Amino acid sequence: DAGVIQSPRHEVTEMGQEVTLRCKPISGHNSLFWYRQTMMRGLELLIYFNNNVPIDDSGMPEDRFSAKMPNASFSTLKIQPSEPRDSAVYFCASSLYGDQPQHFGDGTRLSIL
Amino acid sequence: SQQGEEDPQALSIQEGENATMNCSYKTSINNLQWYRQNSGRGLVHLILIRSNEREKHSGRLRVTLDTSKKSSSLLITASRAADTASYFCATDAGKGYSTLTFGKGTMLLVSP
Repeated sequence: DAGVIQSPRHEVTEMGQEVTLRCKPISGHNSLFWYRQTMMRGLELLIYFNNNVPIDDSGMPEDRFSAKMPNASFSTLKIQPSEPRDSAVYFCASSLYGDQPQHFGDGTRLSIL
Repeated sequence: SQQGEEDPQALSIQEGENATMNCSYKTSINNLQWYRQNSGRGLVHLILIRSNEREKHSGRLRVTLDTSKKSSSLLITASRAADTASYFCATDAGKGYSTLTFGKGTMLLVSP
């Protein structure tokens, strides 16, 4: 069974550019999470979807960040415009139900120059 | 602020030794989970312990939970070089829906 699939694995772009990160959760999982990991702040929850509906987006840093889940098998996290302080590893995770163990993708390492 | 805080931040041991990591949290929880992260990879779920459980085992892993002290420990017995990774505890923070709040992790180095 395929795990959570994220793309791209690495992204390097200049500040001001739009960045789109993609995630395919495990089939049948109804909960999807986007996280950001940095050395300084650790692993932070950005947004949580349940059955494709955003439930908790209190972790989204500012309006430059947006996330969508148009169907059960696909989600995007978009940053527009990007800034150097957005450099981090972004993880997508999914779970069968909200309080079940989460399955993580291998992340997207984002560098904003 | 972090709900879970791991201790120590880093731990270095020899193969065959036991490794103990601790986690403290602040609010009431429904469950506590431990995850492992190898360098450059995503987190992998290890074990979940519910608030009404005191101890749980999985292979060489033993987790304890003390809700009165708001703390948990993860014991890895007979460690191997392949156990080298960062270990995180995560709690559900009792929000009524189940998102997790992660600590900053313990970096474990197991030397051959």
